[in-house]
Amino acid sequence: GQNIDQPTEMTATEGAIVQINCTYQTSGFNGLFWYQQHAGEAPTFLSYNVLDGLEEKGRFSSFLSRSKGYSYLLLKELQMKDSASYLCAVSTGGGNKLTFGTGTQLKVEL
Amino acid sequence: EAGVTQSPTHLIKTRGQQVTLRCSPISGHTSVYWYQQALGLGLQFLLWYDEGEERNRGNFPPRFSGRQFPNYSSELNVNALELEDSALYLCASSLDRGRETQYFGPGTRLLVL
Repeated sequence: GQNIDQPTEMTATEGAIVQINCTYQTSGFNGLFWYQQHAGEAPTFLSYNVLDGLEEKGRFSSFLSRSKGYSYLLLKELQMKDSASYLCAVSTGGGNKLTFGTGTQLKVEL
Repeated sequence: EAGVTQSPTHLIKTRGQQVTLRCSPISGHTSVYWYQQALGLGLQFLLWYDEGEERNRGNFPPRFSGRQFPNYSSELNVNALELEDSALYLCASSLDRGRETQYFGPGTRLLVL
């Protein structure tokens, strides 16, 4: 079966750095995605990792270790608008079927 | 460039009824995916269509079905609605059935009473 684990909630301070972890056990692996979802809105794409290592994109970075079944999303210089749910999703099988974790609700405080 | 569009935005139905949800992918995208996001749960994969064919389906009963049209738009049909079908239904599209990023539409919020 497919299993993806993320912390349920995290709280951080504006301007700080936060790391959201994701561990996975899946049958097959094409790549790992991170999405951001604000309440009541659709998920928006943040990053995609297929090879081990760090992918950096502005204030957001994502890391993958396939041997450990582990990824993290790093958010720097936190802003209030970063308060949202962050979804880890693993692509498996032909056709890029995505299996999502339940998401990490991040609250950014002053 | 227009994103993925879905209609309607909200829908209220009663148990036993049938519903049809619609999705238009990003121009040039041939793959369409449907997901269910029930309150407090993660996104659950429902169906994947590519080039007009159903390519894969998740662990949902047969009363969840759909189709993809020649213009790559898609419909999701749910028959014999149950209370637990109340959820946000999200459609996503990608360039092809390879390892391409999926882009999501705004969703249709379905309430079954």
